Amino acid sequence: GQQVMQIPQYQHVQEGEDFTTYCNSSTTLSNIQWYKQRPGGHPVFLIQLVKSGEVKKQKRLTFQFGEAKKNSSLHITATQTTDVGTYFCAGLSSGGYQKVTFGIGTKLQVIP
Amino acid sequence: DTGVSQDPRHKITKRGQNVTFRCDPISEHNRLYWYRQTLGQGPEFLTYFQNEAQLEKSRLLSDRFSAERPKGSFSTLEIQRTEQGDSAMYLCASSLRTGGFEQYFGPGTRLTVT
Repeated sequence: GQQVMQIPQYQHVQEGEDFTTYCNSSTTLSNIQWYKQRPGGHPVFLIQLVKSGEVKKQKRLTFQFGEAKKNSSLHITATQTTDVGTYFCAGLSSGGYQKVTFGIGTKLQVIP
Repeated sequence: DTGVSQDPRHKITKRGQNVTFRCDPISEHNRLYWYRQTLGQGPEFLTYFQNEAQLEKSRLLSDRFSAERPKGSFSTLEIQRTEQGDSAMYLCASSLRTGGFEQYFGPGTRLTVT
């Protein structure tokens, strides 16, 4: 079955430093979605990438989808304490019932 | 509030008891998903519905777990003969069938089995 791997599992950064998390799927995806879960909260949808090589930006967040549509990354520039949380990628499989599979997540801690 | 709601938010039960959780999705969403999440892990897929049809159920799910969505609106997840290993956050999410299937999560039901 489809597997979505995500690294690193944990990341501590000093406030103001950059942060990147990487996502890799075992199969080609229809799209990749990114979610953020704050401590004690539930996952919240951030963005979706559909096209091969697509790059999208949300303020300090930059999302990329690989050319082969099997990997993705999320980069945060100049982290702030409000960025704390766990970032999940989720891949939508192509064909079949089009199921979304979540990665294990990257837990980001920002040290003030 | 037009978001996904779940009830109850917390449930403490003794091992061996049955529990049932409810999820009310966003009204126009025809897909509904159940996930289980334990500390430090991502949401683990349990099952999902498109309208009232249950399209897929995780092979990891034992026969003690069952879910229904009888009228294609709200859904229930029942766990029979609970075990301590069932302790987790149970998340419900909904999405539209069209588009990118981005999911909107409810606040979850935290189950503690003693």
